[in-house]
Amino acid sequence: EVQLLESGGGLVQPGGSLRLSCAASGFTFSSYAMGWVRQAPGKGLEWVSSTSDSGGITYYADSVEGRFTLSRDNSKNTLYLQMNSLRTEDTAIYYCARIDYSSSNFDYWGQGTLVTVSS
Amino acid sequence: DIQMTQSPSTLSASVGDRVTITCRASQSISSWLAWYQQKPGKAPKLLIYKASSLESGVPSRFSGSGSGTEFTLTISSLQPDDFATYYCQQYNSYSRRFGQGTKVEIK
Repeated sequence: EVQLLESGGGLVQPGGSLRLSCAASGFTFSSYAMGWVRQAPGKGLEWVSSTSDSGGITYYADSVEGRFTLSRDNSKNTLYLQMNSLRTEDTAIYYCARIDYSSSNFDYWGQGTLVTVSS
Repeated sequence: DIQMTQSPSTLSASVGDRVTITCRASQSISSWLAWYQQKPGKAPKLLIYKASSLESGVPSRFSGSGSGTEFTLTISSLQPDDFATYYCQQYNSYSRRFGQGTKVEIK
């Protein structure tokens, strides 16, 4: 069974940093592209970042470019999102998701981890 | 940047109704359009990809159509489990953008 388990969320002050992790199991992690999608409280979905199966290619939304870094450790089956210079508008549930290679879309999602940026 | 606009924002319907949600892209995206369903407190679920391809396990009452800049998601006969929020999403190799969502409510 495919499972994605996010961790690392919490309360952080504006300007602070946080690192999210996503532990994957039930599939060959190194064979899949992965990504992060976030959802502010009561709002819609926003794509944050995606990376290739090897981690060699990574893309970011304009809203996080230069502040967030997506990486992966295929030996640990884990995806990471390093978030720096956090802003109040980064407050959201952050979902980790797998990108299916036939549909090129997010076919499995984690349960999400809440990041709150507030003073 | 490509903008995705869904209509309506909210839709009230009854069980058994045929429901159509529209998604418009600010420029042509060919058929690179997906639809997701999200229920409160849950992660989204992929329904349709490449505008009209049904994801495995998704009921056949869901269908998608369109290309270029205008797309539709149709639920042929609304079921109690279908009351949720639906998002369209454009995708290419380097970015993705979601529409603002359409909430399907019980009439």
